Amino acid sequence: DAGITQSPRHKVTETGTPVTLRCHQTENHRYMYWYRQDPGHGLRLIHYSYGVKDTDKGEVSDGYSVSRSKTEDFLLTLESATSSQTSVYFCAISESAGEYNEQFFGPGTRLTVL
Amino acid sequence: AQTVTQSQPEMSVQEAETVTLSCTYDTSENNYYLFWYKQPPSRQMILVIRQEAYKQQNATENRFSVNFQKAAKSFSLKISDSQLGDTAMYFCAFRGYNNNDMRFGAGTRLTVKP
Repeated sequence: DAGITQSPRHKVTETGTPVTLRCHQTENHRYMYWYRQDPGHGLRLIHYSYGVKDTDKGEVSDGYSVSRSKTEDFLLTLESATSSQTSVYFCAISESAGEYNEQFFGPGTRLTVL
Repeated sequence: AQTVTQSQPEMSVQEAETVTLSCTYDTSENNYYLFWYKQPPSRQMILVIRQEAYKQQNATENRFSVNFQKAAKSFSLKISDSQLGDTAMYFCAFRGYNNNDMRFGAGTRLTVKP
């Protein structure tokens, strides 16, 4: 199994509070991704990173920001959480974006915004 | 934007029988990648099988095989000799050749009955 951990695994917070989710990898993969999973939508890409300090937006980036100061860590921040951001968040990594490269997923973080 | 459609929200199959999960997608690209991911109750996303669009031959991984129809933009997954451990959500996913944005379908919940 790819070495990907996410923290916390579960979090309950209140509307308007800031929240940061952490993804940590031990594979030294260049690409890291944040997805959210909601019923009826599958997984949707929030942001991704193609290197240290290099990030780009995905399909559903509004309300989220990311940072990557080290190869192994990719942080997802909700500056002011809203109930619509209640979801399960998955981090993924891949060696490269092109060719056949598989994305390996972390165990997920369940976030509830009350 | 590419879209992925899984028209079967839920399916069930008897143990040892064969089941086919449907997936269609919409794209104007000529080369791309298609994937099937499995998500068991543990929530971990696991790659089941993948296909590159320019390859005519359908991918096979043990009991899992695909029927890739490029002209019809169809990518179905066949599970032979179904096992209880195949019970999971199955997601079809599309990624463009030089694209970091993987698009997922809404998923099909498969239950294998003893």
